Amino acid sequence: GAGVSQSPSNKVTEKGKDVELRCDPISGHTALYWYRQSLGQGLEFLIYFQGNSAPDKSGLPSDRFSAERTGGSVSTLTIQRTQQEDSAVYLCASSPSTGFSYNEQFFGPGTRLTVL
Amino acid sequence: ELKVEQNPLFLSMQEGKNYTIYCNYSTTSDRLYWYRQDPGKSLESLFVLLSNGAVKQEGRLMASLDTKARLSTLHITAAVHDLSATYFCAFRTGTASKLTFGTGTRLQVTL
Repeated sequence: GAGVSQSPSNKVTEKGKDVELRCDPISGHTALYWYRQSLGQGLEFLIYFQGNSAPDKSGLPSDRFSAERTGGSVSTLTIQRTQQEDSAVYLCASSPSTGFSYNEQFFGPGTRLTVL
Repeated sequence: ELKVEQNPLFLSMQEGKNYTIYCNYSTTSDRLYWYRQDPGKSLESLFVLLSNGAVKQEGRLMASLDTKARLSTLHITAAVHDLSATYFCAFRTGTASKLTFGTGTRLQVTL
């Protein structure tokens, strides 16, 4: 079946602009995660959704970052007033369930964001 | 706070050789994951280890978990060029859902 998809694959923007990144999880997966991968910081957790709610937003680096999920499926990560330090690859992952399950997370191809 | 130390950061090895990548973590963890990442690509799940003493093998890769030592290893047997990639370990602890990743080990297998 189809894996996790993300769009766009690449995004170049100017400092100060807003960007929206999209994630389509694997059908039926209730849990959805956003991570960020950058040279300096490695792989960092940003936010976790269970259904449409976000019980863990602890990784969002500032109030410029927000995310939502609708219909228990598609999620968008929005970065307002982008800064150069926001440049990174943003990865989305989904898993069938959470709690005491395997919680094996399946990753999408990522969106490479470059802020000029 | 869960911290993960992965070493080495970079590993260059010849085809046919054996080597081990190590992941040490700082607190109790009940799930350990190994992922592979090819350049410019996303993360591919390799192994999920759920309990102390767990060992899983797939081809030339074998992963193990020692929860008492807070250590997981990824052993490479008779390396081949196709194994060249970056390998990440990741941990999940308690009821938290997020994964905490190691720094990654970039493996380069040379002829």
